[in-house]
Amino acid sequence: EAQVTQNPRYLITVTGKKLTVTCSQNMNHEYMSWYRQDPGLGLRQIYYSMNVEATDKGDVPEGYKVSRKEKRNFPLILESPSPNQTSLYFCASSSSMAGEEGGTYEQYFGPGTRLTVT
Amino acid sequence: AQSVAQPEDQVNVAEGNPLTVKCTYSVSGNPYLFWYVQYPNRGLQFLLKYITGDNLVKGSYGFEAEFNKSQTSFHLKKPSALVSDSALYFCAVRDYYQKVTFGTGTKLQVIP
Repeated sequence: EAQVTQNPRYLITVTGKKLTVTCSQNMNHEYMSWYRQDPGLGLRQIYYSMNVEATDKGDVPEGYKVSRKEKRNFPLILESPSPNQTSLYFCASSSSMAGEEGGTYEQYFGPGTRLTVT
Repeated sequence: AQSVAQPEDQVNVAEGNPLTVKCTYSVSGNPYLFWYVQYPNRGLQFLLKYITGDNLVKGSYGFEAEFNKSQTSFHLKKPSALVSDSALYFCAVRDYYQKVTFGTGTKLQVIP
């Protein structure tokens, strides 16, 4: 089954304790992205990646790191989490880049990771 | 900077009536426009997209959207609403540099 998986699904942690949220897709997609969802703010893009070793900042990258060493995986790293990073996080992937002919472009989303930082 | 506006936090419609969820956007270059739906405690699901071609695009579950370049709008529509359509709807734009911007979302409530 084609899917995007995220782990963990729920996480409660304390300020300053480094954590990693994993994301993996089995569709051989080149494009992957991380979002956070907060009430009243919709989804905001944190980082995205167009291929292995190619990442770029979204609208809210502060306090986050990413890496793309393999095509299927795109982990999100919070090196020193703070309470304002309490949120619902989504990973997504898509097969094509905007501008490519004949692509599908839409994103497939993971189930989400609910993070609470106390 | 690109942006997406969904001016209505909530839309209420009676079952069987037509529904419209509004979206306007701002982006440099050609827009890649999308609608996604989120059911409670679930991830986002793709509904439909406009990339190029016909201004009226059809998607999943009977939804359609009309791309209007002059008004920079991409409103979501359905001729006859179902109670099961009740969910949170997001409009999104993707630019040539692959950055994606979502609107703040519109909660659709279909009343039996």
